[in-house]
Amino acid sequence: AQSVSQHNHHVILSEAASLELGCNYSYGGTVNLFWYVQYPGQHLQLLLKYFSGDPLVKGIKGFEAEFIKSKFSFNLRKPSVQWSDTAEYFCAVNGFSGGYNKLIFGAGTRLAVHP
Amino acid sequence: NAGVTQTPKFQVLKTGQSMTLQCAQDMNHNSMYWYRQDPGMGLRLIYYSASEGTTDKGEVPNGYNVSRLNKREFSLRLESAAPSQTSVYFCASSDGQFYYEQYFGPGTRLTVT
Repeated sequence: AQSVSQHNHHVILSEAASLELGCNYSYGGTVNLFWYVQYPGQHLQLLLKYFSGDPLVKGIKGFEAEFIKSKFSFNLRKPSVQWSDTAEYFCAVNGFSGGYNKLIFGAGTRLAVHP
Repeated sequence: NAGVTQTPKFQVLKTGQSMTLQCAQDMNHNSMYWYRQDPGMGLRLIYYSASEGTTDKGEVPNGYNVSRLNKREFSLRLESAAPSQTSVYFCASSDGQFYYEQYFGPGTRLTVT
């Protein structure tokens, strides 16, 4: 079955530290990949997405993600985090499975950035 | 634009009670979704509606029903609430299915005692 794994459930960083959140998926076909973010008290919103082309995707607020097809990974990165990046981050994968189109979310990673 | 709105924001039910969660979007989107979010499990799709007049089961449909009332509105009904349905429920909408960006509502926090 199609699945998405986010290996870090909780991450704590100091401001200016670099961030990398892991996302691996299990699916053999063509996929579309997303990172969504949920800031405290706010709606989930799209951070970035990959459909095709350059595997290094840039999103809002200085985030980027790299699609590595051979590793089935789509890790999220930011060179220098800010306190305002404190949020929960969800990786999601879209592909066909069981005869229909699906979007599968990972369990999420809670990031806490300390000043 | 209000985007995606949900009512109520919070609800406490007793086991066996019924209720309907309301969702509306003003972005003229074709597709709408209902998810539940549980700790450590991410978002799981309950039902979706690819277009007005159609609904389909998602990953966890048992115990729920939905109605796509019109293009704007998509409601989720719990006929006989159970403690296992304690969760945060999110409605979302998108231009097309799944591979389009989804826009989420603020969520409904439901507790079933």
